Amino acid sequence: GAVVSQHPSRVICKSGTSVKIECRSLDFQATTMFWYRQFPKQSLMLMATSNEGSKATYEQGVEKDKFLINHASLTLSTLTVTSAHPEDSSFYICSATRLAPHEQFFGPGTRLTVL
Amino acid sequence: AQSVAQPEDQVNVAEGNPLTVKCTYSVSGNPYLFWYVQYPNRGLQFLLKYITGDNLVKGSYGFEAEFNKSQTSFHLKKPSALVSDSALYFCAVRDLVTGGGNKLTFGTGTQLKVEL
Repeated sequence: GAVVSQHPSRVICKSGTSVKIECRSLDFQATTMFWYRQFPKQSLMLMATSNEGSKATYEQGVEKDKFLINHASLTLSTLTVTSAHPEDSSFYICSATRLAPHEQFFGPGTRLTVL
Repeated sequence: AQSVAQPEDQVNVAEGNPLTVKCTYSVSGNPYLFWYVQYPNRGLQFLLKYITGDNLVKGSYGFEAEFNKSQTSFHLKKPSALVSDSALYFCAVRDLVTGGGNKLTFGTGTQLKVEL
């Protein structure tokens, strides 16, 4: 089956620093990758859609200068949380799709804690 | 705009009993419908999907779901629940007409608790 990995699985950082999260599709080429944010006991909120070689499309209310997304290849997308603050603490999940068979394959998530 | 409703925050069921997790959807065109399961501090695992064809869809771990167009529902079911099925379940929809790429809209999730 299709496998998506995320690194790191957990990260703790100080307020004001930047954190990079990697999302990789291990055994397929992902035409599109998505970044979600999930608060405790809540649903997934789509932050942005990322297509290889083009700029990410951000959802309304998501600051593109704060959450930098780079989709450099068909197997790698990165999310950088710049100048992180405690309110950015959350569970960040990426997913990847290919042209078929239509479902998204999700990474295991990254738990970000900003002190 | 597409939307998904999961009316129950939590469902409790005894092991061995059948379970149902409810989901209704709203789209302007034909829907792609999905169920995912999430265990604590983990990403989402795909369970099953409905694209077209037979309204009864069978998925992983003995789960199935029935697409009902007239009721715009896609309830998740399992004939005999296991304690290990306890997790958070998400229904999701993608609207084929409006496109938006593969963008999914998720429900708020239903916590399933299976007890001995």
